[in-house]
Amino acid sequence: QKEVEQNSGPLSVPEGAIASLNCTYSDRGSQSFFWYRQYSGKSPELIMFIYSNGDKEDGRFTAQLNKASQYVSLLIRDSQPSDSATYLCAAESGAGSYQLTFGKGTKLSVIP
Amino acid sequence: DAEITQSPRHKITETGRQVTLACHQTWNHNNMFWYRQDLGHGLRLIHYSYGVHDTNKGEVSDGYSVSRSNTEDLPLTLESAASSQTSVYFCASSDRTGGVYEQYFGPGTRLTVT
Repeated sequence: QKEVEQNSGPLSVPEGAIASLNCTYSDRGSQSFFWYRQYSGKSPELIMFIYSNGDKEDGRFTAQLNKASQYVSLLIRDSQPSDSATYLCAAESGAGSYQLTFGKGTKLSVIP
Repeated sequence: DAEITQSPRHKITETGRQVTLACHQTWNHNNMFWYRQDLGHGLRLIHYSYGVHDTNKGEVSDGYSVSRSNTEDLPLTLESAASSQTSVYFCASSDRTGGVYEQYFGPGTRLTVT
């Protein structure tokens, strides 16, 4: 069974610090990976995706992918209280699939 | 602006009743998905469709059905609601953007089965 694993947290970081969120996946056929942010009581919101090994930066967010280790991470620089949310990692369910397999999410709390 | 909407946003129903949750998107996306989200389980795929008249079962499809008669809509029907189907339901749609299929979610429907 294809799985995406995340530490449920909560992960607490002080305001201005770097938050590091991690995710591992079981399906070596997965090519694309996605990070979603979900505020309490709201729907998941796509932050960014990555499909090449290495880093991809978008503003304060950096996604990192290591396919050999089947590992994806999201770094949030200069964390703000507004970043407090649950972050969901998702993997394409097999190469070329339109489906996503989601992790259960990591709850991030940024302390002012 | 193109968007994805769900209705109703909240629903309380009784065990055994048939319930239909609506999902409507104006992006003209071919791919549409229904998920349920429960504490401890994360997002789980119920049904999905890759185009008109195409429907497929997901991980937790028992007790649910969908139909796709046009590009914009994918209604989810609970044939005979059970208390185990109390959950938050999200609809999503996707199309190819920047080399990948990004999924965008509707606002969700909170369903309570009493």
